[in-house]
Amino acid sequence: DAGVTQSPTHLIKTRGQHVTLRCSPISGHKSVSWYQQVLGQGPQFIFQYYEKEERGRGNFPDRFSARQFPNYSSELNVNALLLGDSALYLCASSLETVSYEQYFGPGTRLTVT
Amino acid sequence: GQNIDQPTEMTATEGAIVQINCTYQTSGFNGLFWYQQHAGEAPTFLSYNVLDGLEEKGRFSSFLSRSKGYSYLLLKELQMKDSASYLCAVRDTDSGAGSYQLTFGKGTKLSVIP
Repeated sequence: DAGVTQSPTHLIKTRGQHVTLRCSPISGHKSVSWYQQVLGQGPQFIFQYYEKEERGRGNFPDRFSARQFPNYSSELNVNALLLGDSALYLCASSLETVSYEQYFGPGTRLTVT
Repeated sequence: GQNIDQPTEMTATEGAIVQINCTYQTSGFNGLFWYQQHAGEAPTFLSYNVLDGLEEKGRFSSFLSRSKGYSYLLLKELQMKDSASYLCAVRDTDSGAGSYQLTFGKGTKLSVIP
């Protein structure tokens, strides 16, 4: 069975640019969450989407946005990149919004120079 | 909001038992999770506690005391492959109806030595 997939694996951008990260959940999972993990820290919640609707938003600026598509895949967009946006971006999927098991993808390593 | 504390690093010997503690202060509580994360990899789910007590799953056990805001992860018969970061995370009831927002601690880096 395919797990959560994310693309790209690695990405290098310069300050001020825009980036789009993609996530495909496990087949049958309808909920997707996005997390940012800075080196040496635990993941920080950014967004949760369920049935194409935003269900939760963490403490991140409006430069961060996301959406979920009819096939439950999701995109995370970050505008006007800052050096501090360099991190591992993790996508996690679950069956429903309140499922206790959440499965993480391998992540996208974003480096902003 | 949430505040989650766990030790930064621990070292233990192969074959031994290690206990990783986690304390939390929350405005709401709807479950505590433990994840394992090897360097450069995604976190993998280990355990979930929502009621007080001990949950055992093979070599791994997790304990929760809601009144004390305390949990621990117990790893028995340590193996070299258990060297990883262990993340404690709390699910917040304030995150909105039907929302699944986890707040993670900074993680405990466990090194297993021969």
